[in-house]
Amino acid sequence: AQSVTQLGSHVSVSEGALVLLRCNYSSSVPPYLFWYVQYPNQGLQLLLKYTSAATLVKGINGFEAEFKKSETSFHLTKPSAHMSDAAEYFCAVSSDTGRRALTFGSGTRLQVQP
Amino acid sequence: GAVVSQHPSWVICKSGTSVKIECRSLDFQATTMFWYRQFPKQSLMLMATSNEGSKATYEQGVEKDKFLINHASLTLSTLTVTSAHPEDSSFYICSARVGQAPTEAFFGQGTRLTVV
Repeated sequence: AQSVTQLGSHVSVSEGALVLLRCNYSSSVPPYLFWYVQYPNQGLQLLLKYTSAATLVKGINGFEAEFKKSETSFHLTKPSAHMSDAAEYFCAVSSDTGRRALTFGSGTRLQVQP
Repeated sequence: GAVVSQHPSWVICKSGTSVKIECRSLDFQATTMFWYRQFPKQSLMLMATSNEGSKATYEQGVEKDKFLINHASLTLSTLTVTSAHPEDSSFYICSARVGQAPTEAFFGQGTRLTVV
């Protein structure tokens, strides 16, 4: 079984400030981890993914995430927030066994204040 | 990256009618497609997994007779909401995977279904 917990349903930052969105996972097998962004009434766009290679993963739009096995975490960060980053962010986990579908966290809405 | 096209992007239907949503992989062959449902301000919940040429596998609690899934080709899967009711109103999103790897899943733009 696998699951994802995203701490904080809403995060508000000022433009130019650090963005930190938290994600902890649970998986009985080595996980694949993903961060997706969703804009209103749209599908999901992949920001980045961890697939057991480098633990620090760089994605699009300046986002990156670090896989920490000891902490079962995969937090998403961006050094400087931009207004266009305001959206819903989902952390997801999958595995190389079983149904291989993604299991999503509950999502974090990021607000960026001017 | 690969493109998944979902159609329609929004639909309004009367209670009791059926609605079909299409999910197409435009530039790759999708051996597996997933259908998710998303309620307002909530996460995506997996409804079913569909493999080309075989019956879909539904998640616990999802009525297979109400949500009919057909995956007739490697580029097309359809979800039909039969005898729709207002509680079926939701955002439905499909996802297509290339091969068996869990690392590459591409999402459609979603369909907003409103049943009146």
